[in-house]
Parts: sequence; structure tokens; C-alpha cells
Amino acid sequence: KAGVTQTPRYLIKTRGQQVTLSCSPISGHRSVSWYQQTPGQGLQFLFEYFSETQRNKGNFPGRFSGRQFSNSRSEMNVSTLELGDSALYLCASSPAQGPLRATEAFFGQGTRLTVV
Amino acid sequence: AQSVTQLDSQVPVFEEAPVELRCNYSSSVSVYLFWYVQYPNQGLQLLLKYLSGSTLVKSINGFEAEFNKSQTSFHLRKPSVHISDTAEYFCAVSGYRGGADGLTFGKGTHLIIQP
Repeated sequence: KAGVTQTPRYLIKTRGQQVTLSCSPISGHRSVSWYQQTPGQGLQFLFEYFSETQRNKGNFPGRFSGRQFSNSRSEMNVSTLELGDSALYLCASSPAQGPLRATEAFFGQGTRLTVV
Repeated sequence: AQSVTQLDSQVPVFEEAPVELRCNYSSSVSVYLFWYVQYPNQGLQLLLKYLSGSTLVKSINGFEAEFNKSQTSFHLRKPSVHISDTAEYFCAVSGYRGGADGLTFGKGTHLIIQP
């Protein structure tokens, strides 16, 4: 069974640009969550999607958005990039919904975004 | 809301020695508890989790963690470490009734195994 696939693995963008990251969950998983990992702030929850609907959102500005498609694949978009957006962006998929989703979260390898 | 404190940012230990990575949490609701491991340039892998029942949980590679409700702790231990255990370890919690913030992680502890 294939794991969570995130593309691209590495990305370099310029300040002010926008970027789209992709996450393909494990087959059959309908819940997808996104996290930002930085040396200063650690791992922070961005948002969660289930059945194409955003269920939860972390404390991030509106420049960070996402969506989920009918095949459960998810994308996140960051507009007007800032230097501080440089981070490892991790996606996690789960077969469960609600509180149990965290108990069965499988993470991808992440997309390393560098903003210059 | 929940918070997680990992008391040590870095723990150096000699190969074959025992190790303990400390984790304390704060929450107004009952929680599930997790330890994840991250190797360089990799995502997170679940090491072990406490959902309910026995407070001592074990992983397949020799790690164990004990849930202590009175001390709100979930320390990770291994009696004898190997070079391959060198990695970043994250403690995490999730509210029993779900919540708006997904998994809440600690800042991580870098376990450095010295030969």
C-alpha cells in the first residue's frame, strides 16, 4: 500500500509569489491535515479536510488556503509569500473522522519550501 | 486547548546506554498521547500512542512510554539505544473530543547517540 505522497519535495520561490503544494493520501483515507514545521515555531496545525470540506483551521493568516478534491487529494496554497513562510510543510492522512483521526495519522515526507 | 512541553531540546547519550525523553502536557479535556520520530529529511513516523487502558505502551523497536495522569506526563524511554535511534522525537496530544487544532506537538528533542 503506497504511503502519503507529497509533491514537490523541494521548492524555491521568491517573496510575493504564490505556491501550491500537493498531497495524495493513502488509498481509502478521506481525512487530510496539513502542518507547518519551522525551527522556531516547531510543528503547527494549518487545516484539515474531510470529504472536500474544511473541518478545522489553525491560527494562520488568510494567505494560507487549501482544498480537497473528490478523490481525497488535497492542495494547499500560499499567496504573497513571505520569507517567514520558509518551512517544511507536512501532510497527514487518516481513514477516520473526528477525534479518532489523530490516532491513525500517517505523514508524508513533506515539501521543503524556501522563500528568497 | 492543549499544550506540550518537551523539557530537553537535545539529549546526548552513549550507545547501549538507557535514555529518557521527557514530555509534559496541559489540557482541559482528556487527551490521546503520541510519540513521533523524524529522521533527517523525512516526515513523521508514529512510534507509539496511548489511547486508553494500560498506561504503559510499547513500540516494536524497544521504546516504551508511560502515561501519568497525575503528573500530566508521557515520558519516552529505551533501556539500550543504538546509533540508528539518532533522530528528532516529538511528543503530541490530541483532545479526546477532537478539537480545532489537530495534533498539538512539542518542540522536539534531538536524540544524539554517541559511539
